[in-house]
This record gives sequence, structure tokens and C-alpha cells, in this order.
Amino acid sequence: DIQMTQSPSSLSASVGDRVTITCRASQGISNYLAWYQQKPGKVPKLLIYAASTLQSGVPSRFSGSGSGTDFTLTISSLQPEDVATYYCQKYNSAPFTFGPGTKVDIK
Amino acid sequence: QVQLVQSGAEVKKPGASVKVSCKASGYTFTSYDINWVRQATGQGLEWMGWMNPNSGNTGYAQKFQGRVTMTRNTSISTAYMELSSLRSEDTAVYYCARGYRYYYDSSGYYYLFDYWGQGTLVTVSS
Repeated sequence: DIQMTQSPSSLSASVGDRVTITCRASQGISNYLAWYQQKPGKVPKLLIYAASTLQSGVPSRFSGSGSGTDFTLTISSLQPEDVATYYCQKYNSAPFTFGPGTKVDIK
Repeated sequence: QVQLVQSGAEVKKPGASVKVSCKASGYTFTSYDINWVRQATGQGLEWMGWMNPNSGNTGYAQKFQGRVTMTRNTSISTAYMELSSLRSEDTAVYYCARGYRYYYDSSGYYYLFDYWGQGTLVTVSS
């Protein structure tokens, strides 16, 4: 099975900072990658799919890029409401494995 | 509006089984997969498997093969996930999520977990 890794596992940044999270697949998955945001105590929410397509209603400060094995999620200007754990997920085929998550908080 | 409403919290003893339900509304139940994802306290998301409510076809993560069964009752738009031989490590919040598969060309597709249930806490303790 393809394994998903993320880095860093956590980060702390100031409001307004640019934040970048990396996700890596152990084998190529084309652009079959989604990002989910899970705020503390809440249900996960779909942010981005096809590596770079924003789900409807997601603020434009979020963006995704990558293809093959390396992907990034970028928050262009971190806001207090972005405090959450972010997970990447492969969906090229089952198993639809999630990455271990990156916890983002405010410095 | 699309909703997935799960059954309430459960407390089970080691070795027992648990069956969690996920009632769908606001869309055609048989047109989208149901996936199950679990999350232990303070841990990440773990995909358990999927079910096609139309055909009843399922696919399970290798870790849960032989212990998990996903079923449905289309007459009441409800999916079920049963996990047997419970152990303490199975203590977690269990989520159902709708799997939306969209083909944008002859070979490319999206498969998105676009709606999630509220989660069901299953506690395994003697």
C-alpha cells in the first residue's frame, strides 16, 4: 500500500504569516490528492481536491499544488480561524490513506 | 441539505462487537459511497473501508479485514459499520463520510469525502 507522510508534524506561526505544509506519497498518485482541515473538537472538512482545486466556500488564502509524490498546502496569510490539524489523503485507489496530520497554531 | 446522522456513543467490553449506524438524508442514498474513518483521542484519521449502498459492494482496509462489516438498509437510507473482537485500541470516534466520485473525463476522477457524520465515540473498557 502507498504510505502518506506529512511535514512538519506541527507548526506555530503568527497571524498573517505564509504557512506551507508538505505531503509526500510513497508512490506516484498523479493529482489524486485531497486536503482536509479538522478544527479542534470538530468534524473534518474538505478543503482541496485534485491537489489544487479549492472546494466551494473555502477561502482563497488556501492553495494546493503538486503532482506525483510531492504536494503542498499553503495558507497565504494565516488567520486565527485557521488553527486546526490538516490532513492530506490519497484517493487514486483504495485504501484511501490519510497522512498523519500537521497541527497549525498561532504563535 | 445533505446530512449524515450517526448513532450515539457506545461502551463495550473487550471481545464484544459494536454496530454504528449512519442515516443519510438530503440526497439519493444509493448514488454515493459511504466510507468509515476512525480517530483515536489525540490521533490522526484512519480510513477503515467503503461501501457502495447501491450494490452492497465493500472494500476494507487490510488492518480491519475479518473484523469489520459494512452493510446498509436502503429502505431507510442507513449505513452500518460493525466491528468485532473489540480491544482497548479500538477506542475512538468513528465517522461515516459520503464518498462522492465524479468522472471529469474518460479516465480522471475525483473521490471526495464531502459530507461527514458527527462522529460516534466507541469506548472499549473492561
